[in-house]
Amino acid sequence: KNQVEQSPQSLIILEGKNCTLQCNYTVSPFSNLRWYKQDTGRGPVSLTIMTFSENTKSNGRYTATLDADTKQSSLHITASQLSDSASYICVVRDTGGFKTIFGAGTRLFVKA
Amino acid sequence: DTEVTQTPKHLVMGMTNKKSLKCEQHMGHRAMYWYKQKAKKPPELMFVYSYEKLSINESVPSRFSPECPNSSLLNLHLHALQPEDSALYLCASSQESRWGYTFGSGTRLTVV
Repeated sequence: KNQVEQSPQSLIILEGKNCTLQCNYTVSPFSNLRWYKQDTGRGPVSLTIMTFSENTKSNGRYTATLDADTKQSSLHITASQLSDSASYICVVRDTGGFKTIFGAGTRLFVKA
Repeated sequence: DTEVTQTPKHLVMGMTNKKSLKCEQHMGHRAMYWYKQKAKKPPELMFVYSYEKLSINESVPSRFSPECPNSSLLNLHLHALQPEDSALYLCASSQESRWGYTFGSGTRLTVV
């Protein structure tokens, strides 16, 4: 069964600290994995997209990693800011069809 | 233009009303999607259009009726909705079925 599991479910950190969010998937055959940031009541905004051959991709203070062998991805946020408070969703797509599996998300709270 | 534009941003409608949600993209994407998202849950796929043809209908009630007038536009016609249909409705597009999505900001729908 195709699944995407994210951990932790929620996370509280102090402003300026780093954090790492995890995503494990069983989607097969794998096409790509994307991390989105979603503010409450808004549409998800893409942070990174990674294909099978990519191990690391950065977007400002966000760095995503992918291990296609273990089917794991992580999103590392450096020097967190209050505006980083949001849900972070891992989305995995299979090749060919329209199968897109969403993780349940990690809710991140950054406190001053 | 790298955006998906949704209108209106907010909509309140009675159970006997007829309304439409609109979505527009000018990125040349050939796949467009409607998702429904309840609070603190991941988006749920409703419909997929590929090359202006409906390719996936995830057993959505007939009170939701999608329409794709051309490759840039996607509508969702609403009629006789129920209060439990209140949610954030997201439109998304992708270059091809296997690539990641670009989401719109969503329409916050409240059925009274």
